[in-house]
Amino acid sequence: EAGVAQSPRYKIIEKRQSVAFWCNPISGHATLYWYQQILGQGPKLLIQFQNNGVVDDSQLPKDRFSAERLKGVDSTLKIQPAKLEDSAVYLCASSFNSLAEAFFGQGTRLTVV
Amino acid sequence: AQKVTQAQTEISVVEKEDVTLDCVYETRDTTYYLFWYKQPPSGELVFLIRRNSFDEQNEISGRYSWNFQKSTSSFNFTITASQVVDSAVYFCALSYNTNAGKSTFGDGTTLTVKP
Repeated sequence: EAGVAQSPRYKIIEKRQSVAFWCNPISGHATLYWYQQILGQGPKLLIQFQNNGVVDDSQLPKDRFSAERLKGVDSTLKIQPAKLEDSAVYLCASSFNSLAEAFFGQGTRLTVV
Repeated sequence: AQKVTQAQTEISVVEKEDVTLDCVYETRDTTYYLFWYKQPPSGELVFLIRRNSFDEQNEISGRYSWNFQKSTSSFNFTITASQVVDSAVYFCALSYNTNAGKSTFGDGTTLTVKP
């Protein structure tokens, strides 16, 4: 069974630029999560999708971050414009439903210079 | 509010030593779930265990064991006879439901096992 796929693995951008991350969850998984993991900290949930609907985006900085999962499968997370403090690893995870075990991708490491 | 504290930032041991990773949590919920995850250098979080607040039985899985004590709000993780492949960052997490997806994570303990 294929795992959660994320791309790119690494990205370096200048502040005020835009960036997008892509996530393809495990086939059949209805729930998808995006996390931000700052160096030396645990992951922090940014947004949770159930199929193509948003369940929780309370910790998403909506002035600069956006995410979508239009067809209820893969998802993109965008930052526009990026700030230095956005430097982090962005992890995507999926689960069969909201009560099942979550499986994580390898993440995208973003460096904003 | 929920909080997870992993006081040990970094631990270094020599192969075959036993090592215990500490996790202390705070919650006002009577029903909650505790998790441990391993994050190897490749980056993905690997699920290790989930324990609910009503089950204080200790669990052993191979070289791994977990000690859950509600009286001290702790959920400690022990690796017996550590191996180099155990080197990783280990996260403890707390959630109000079975899915760690909406958990509060600790800041992790970096374990280095030297040959």
